[in-house]
Amino acid sequence: IAGITQAPTSQILAAGRRMTLRCTQDMRHNAMYWYRQDLGLGLRLIHYSNTAGTTGKGEVPDGYSVSRANTDDFPLTLASAVPSQTSVYFCASSAAENTEAFFGQGTRLTVV
Amino acid sequence: GQNIDQPTEMTATEGAIVQINCTYQTSGFNGLFWYQQHAGEAPTFLSYNVLDGLEEKGRFSSFLSRSKGYSYLLLKELQMKDSASYLCAVRDGDYKLSFGAGTTVTVRA
Repeated sequence: IAGITQAPTSQILAAGRRMTLRCTQDMRHNAMYWYRQDLGLGLRLIHYSNTAGTTGKGEVPDGYSVSRANTDDFPLTLASAVPSQTSVYFCASSAAENTEAFFGQGTRLTVV
Repeated sequence: GQNIDQPTEMTATEGAIVQINCTYQTSGFNGLFWYQQHAGEAPTFLSYNVLDGLEEKGRFSSFLSRSKGYSYLLLKELQMKDSASYLCAVRDGDYKLSFGAGTTVTVRA
């Protein structure tokens, strides 16, 4: 079934550790996005990519990095996790600038 | 950056109509989207507006005024299953897709 997949589903991580959240889509969508969702703050854009080989910073990029080596994959890396990065992370993709974004099921990350 | 505002909460009765307003200020504009999100789930797409006017899709309608930086989502014939968070999102001139904080709608019997 075509779609967008995130892994892991949930993770408990020690502060200071490095972590990569994986996101893969098989819809050949050009644009991909990473968001974090915190209670009362809604979805906040971390990084985005309009096409393979390009990335851009969103609203809250500090402490996170991304890469877009190919169309399908858009991993998000926390170089040294901190407790304030405890959140639910959503990856999304869209075919073009005038189409809706489809979301993965989310990764619940707890940094302790 | 983006500034997208919507009310935090709304309550309505089953069978009624609710209108959720969204105002935005962005650097460029490439469309406005509405999403529904049930607790513990991912957001799902409801509607898309890029030109001024009303888009109707079953019980849900969405309106856009680009000159006013304003949109609303209209939910008609409310059902209990419509209790959810409704998210307004704007795609800006750089094609970034940014969201408002969401409006929690509670439908009461």
